[in-house]
This record gives sequence, structure tokens and C-alpha cells, in this order.
Amino acid sequence: EVQLLESGGGLVHPGGSLRLSCAASGFIFSNYAMSWVRQAPGKGLEWVSAISGSGGSTYYADSVKGRLTISRDNSKRTVYLQMHSLRADDTAVYYCAKHPSITVTPAYLDYWGQGTLVTVTS
Amino acid sequence: DIQLTQSPSFLSASVGDRVTITCRASQGINSYLAWYQQKPGKAPELLIFGASTLQSGVPSRFSGSGSGTEFTLTISSLQPEDFAAYYCQQLDTYPFTFGPGTKVDVK
Repeated sequence: EVQLLESGGGLVHPGGSLRLSCAASGFIFSNYAMSWVRQAPGKGLEWVSAISGSGGSTYYADSVKGRLTISRDNSKRTVYLQMHSLRADDTAVYYCAKHPSITVTPAYLDYWGQGTLVTVTS
Repeated sequence: DIQLTQSPSFLSASVGDRVTITCRASQGINSYLAWYQQKPGKAPELLIFGASTLQSGVPSRFSGSGSGTEFTLTISSLQPEDFAAYYCQQLDTYPFTFGPGTKVDVK
């Protein structure tokens, strides 16, 4: 059974940093690309970032480019989202999700974690 | 970036109703579209990819169609567990944008 478990969310001040983790199980982790998708309170879904199975290719939404960094450790079956220079509009539930192949395309997401809440407030 | 719009934004329906949601893309995306269902407090779940391919385990009352710039998600006979929000996502071009969502609630 595929399982994705996010952690690392919490309360942070504007300008602060946070690192989210997503631990995967139930599939050969290195064979699949992964994404982070966020959802602000009461709002829709926003794709944030993706990384290929090897970790050699990464992609970012313009809204987070230069501030958020996606990475993965295939030996630990974990994908990360390092977040810097956080702003109030980064407040959201952050979901990690699995792609159906080692490459980022096709870009649909066949399994999702339950999410971790990041709140940026002074 | 490719923009997606969904209509309607809200839809009130009854159990047994046939429901259709439309997703339009700002430029052609072939059949590179997915649909997700999200229930309150839960993560989204994949329903359809490639515009019309049903994800394993998804009931056959869900169907998708379309190509290019206009797509539809149809629920042939709405069930109580189908009251939820529905999102489309374009898979054609990075960034892989989502539509704004359609909330289906009880009439």
C-alpha cells in the first residue's frame, strides 16, 4: 500500500524558514517523481514544485522560485521542501504527491499524503 | 502559463442527478488533463487522467471527455459520497496548473 507521510509544518514568522519532509512507503521510491502541492485555507490547489525520480530535474511555480527548494534522498525514501523567506501568503496545507513515472511528466498525481499545515504569521 | 477555468464554481444537486463540470484551458493541451476529487479535510484523490482514463478503483459513474481546450467531468448518477470539490489539472506544460475548483453540494 502506497503511503506518504508529511511532517515539519508549524508556525513561523514572516521571513523565517522551515523544512518539510515526506516519507514514502509501499513503492520503489526512486522510480517515481514527486511533487508538492499546497492549499491555502478555504482556497484551491496550487502546484508548487516537482522533482524527478533521480533528483536530477526540478521544477518550481513562479510564486516560490528562489525561496523554496525541493530535494530527495532516495536512500531514506524521503522528499523535502526547504522553505526560506516565508511570507503570509505561503500559509497553506502542503501535500506531497506521487507521479506515475520516474519523470515529472505525465504530471498527474496518483497518490497524495494527508498534508502538513504551514502558518506564516507575526 | 496555461490558465484553467471551471464552470460552474458551485453546483447544488440531488442524489441520482447527472452532473457535468466543465474545464477550459487558455490554450490547447491535447488530452493532458486530470480530474481530482477532494472531500473536506482530506487530500485530493485522482479520478481521471489523460482526459478520459479512469483511475483504478474509481467508480464507473465518473467519466471524462474532451481535448484541446474544453473538457468535461460527468457523474452519471450522483451518490451521497460524491458531494465534494472537483479540480482539473493540466499536464501539458510546466507549471502544471490546477483549475479553481467546483464545489458540489446538496440541493
